[in-house]
Amino acid sequence: DTGVSQDPRHKITKRGQNVTFRCDPISEHNRLYWYRQTLGQGPEFLTYFQNEAQLEKSRLLSDRFSAERPKGSFSTLEIQRTEQGDSAMYLCASSLSGTIETQYFGPGTRLLVL
Amino acid sequence: KNEVEQSPQNLTAQEGEFITINCSYSVGISALHWLQQHPGGGIVSLFMLSSGKKKHGRLIATINIQEKHSSLHITASHPRDSAVYICATWGDKLVFGAGTILRVKS
Repeated sequence: DTGVSQDPRHKITKRGQNVTFRCDPISEHNRLYWYRQTLGQGPEFLTYFQNEAQLEKSRLLSDRFSAERPKGSFSTLEIQRTEQGDSAMYLCASSLSGTIETQYFGPGTRLLVL
Repeated sequence: KNEVEQSPQNLTAQEGEFITINCSYSVGISALHWLQQHPGGGIVSLFMLSSGKKKHGRLIATINIQEKHSSLHITASHPRDSAVYICATWGDKLVFGAGTILRVKS
């Protein structure tokens, strides 16, 4: 247990539905990252926050994806109008900003879109 | 854009064997992570290094910044070492390799 939690751990949904995932980082960590991992691949960067500010978004993050970190603590990732290609593991990680950071990963949310 | 390549993609070893996993990257970085991912998805950071060598138990990680190459070694491998090992480089963000699937048979 790294101290980063994610909820839910698994989600099965029908195409077209909206889903929302939550990440609770280690409490003193000011940075929070979202990654997506498909089968047989390493994680890919989606977006990250420093405190409540979303500082960068990947081009992988289409308009159907939105992430928030309203109070600089937990974060949510919402996918609207899900597509089968959204099926993946969604990973959250947190860190304390610095020259060299160690990111602590959550257990991930596995999404299956039918 | 940094490309991170790992080899081999799959590795099967007998218990007790010495294992090496390699990672090459294409641009200058500030640090490199070795991560372990077990079935079910949980990722654990094993090492973060920016130069030289680090050792933790039976795991050793080395990095050669000039050659843009890092290796992860496992001595006296054990079936519980079976997992996916992922290399990730720090530039302005983490860029991950595809992972090496390791299976250690008893």
